[in-house]
Order: sequence, then structure tokens, then C-alpha cells
Amino acid sequence: QKEVEQNSGPLSVPEGAIASLNCTYSDRGSQSFFWYRQYSGKSPELIMSIYSNGDKEDGRFTAQLNKASQYVSLLIRDSQPSDSATYLCAVNSNDYKLSFGAGTTVTVRA
Amino acid sequence: DGGITQSPKYLFRKEGQNVTLSCEQNLNHDAMYWYRQDPGQGLRLIYYSQIVNDFQKGDIAEGYSVSREKKESFPLTVTSAQKNPTAFYLCASSHRGPGANVLTFGAGSRLTVL
Repeated sequence: QKEVEQNSGPLSVPEGAIASLNCTYSDRGSQSFFWYRQYSGKSPELIMSIYSNGDKEDGRFTAQLNKASQYVSLLIRDSQPSDSATYLCAVNSNDYKLSFGAGTTVTVRA
Repeated sequence: DGGITQSPKYLFRKEGQNVTLSCEQNLNHDAMYWYRQDPGQGLRLIYYSQIVNDFQKGDIAEGYSVSREKKESFPLTVTSAQKNPTAFYLCASSHRGPGANVLTFGAGSRLTVL
């Protein structure tokens, strides 16, 4: 079983719609959860971090965490063409190691 | 501006050659990391270092070596023992303690074995 699994995608959404990305993790002791955005050929950039159960909103992005279900998600509201990228879920398995999912590629069509 | 500089951006290597990828940061971060990314596989940890003169193997350390002689620098050598070295290599850094997992990435180095 992979440590971090994401819905495989690709995910295609119309402009203005909500994109929903899902991630599950295997280590029940994980404490820190992150979403990174990666444009093609570029390095990942952090867009959201979440550490406690519930929702965390930042602009058009909302991260949701449910530690009991070992599940973290990312919602992108009012999707824009500039949101077209691969989104990586990352989970810490100990203090200095982050495990990454394989990523979900999102395409926002005009 | 603070950041992480990786060089070279593109590198071509013949089979049997060792190559060294450079990573320098001026963020005053204690921890530094090397990840490898292959298409469709996300990021896999090669090595990480929490302090100068100390480093630990990640999940795929075989065929790689690192050093951490200065806080700012964490070079990665891809040796001839690495069976399939063609990949996108990413260096990252972070603080220790609170926020230790918030990584800042360099722009990456793309290695191709001919």
C-alpha cells in the first residue's frame, strides 16, 4: 500500500466550476498535510497546509482534513485556466520526511 | 531575494559517468532534501540532512551520495551505480522545529543519460 494516494485523474473542469481533489494516507500518526501545485516542467509550490481536522480556506482554495478517515482534500472554487497544473498531496510520516502522492493533473477548459 | 539555486538546469550524461548536481540556499534553513521525480510517480526522497555534517538515506538512496559541509550547500552525486538515473531532481529546504515540513523547492535539474 502506498503511503499517500491521490485520485488518478486527469481531472477536467469547465472554467468557473469547482475542482475537487482527494488524498488518503496510511500513517495514522501523520500530523502535517500539504497541497503543492506543480506546473509542467516547473518545481512544486506550496498552496495550502493544514494541521487539524476541519476546513481551512485561503482565497479560492479550501483544504479539508479528516484524520479519523485518514483523508485530506482540496477544493478549488471558480476554477481558472491558470489553475491547470498537477496538484501534489504531501503528508509527513516523521519530523523530517514528507511523503508525496503521485499527483492529480487538473485541466480547466475555457 | 532568498531562495534555492540548483545547477545545472539540464544535464546530459553518458552511461558509467558520475555527475554532481549543485544545490545552494540562502534561506538560513537547517534542513535540506533531495527528491527525484519520474513521470506519474510523484516525488521520492533520496537523501535529507537536518544539520551540517549529518545526513540520512531516504527511500531510494542506492546509487546516490551527498555531503553537507556547509549549511547553505547540499550537493548530490549520481553515481554510475544508479541503474536508471534519467529523471527530474529537486532540491528543497526547510526550517527545523515548528514548520519543519514546509518545504521550499529549487527550480530542479533535469538529468538525461544518453
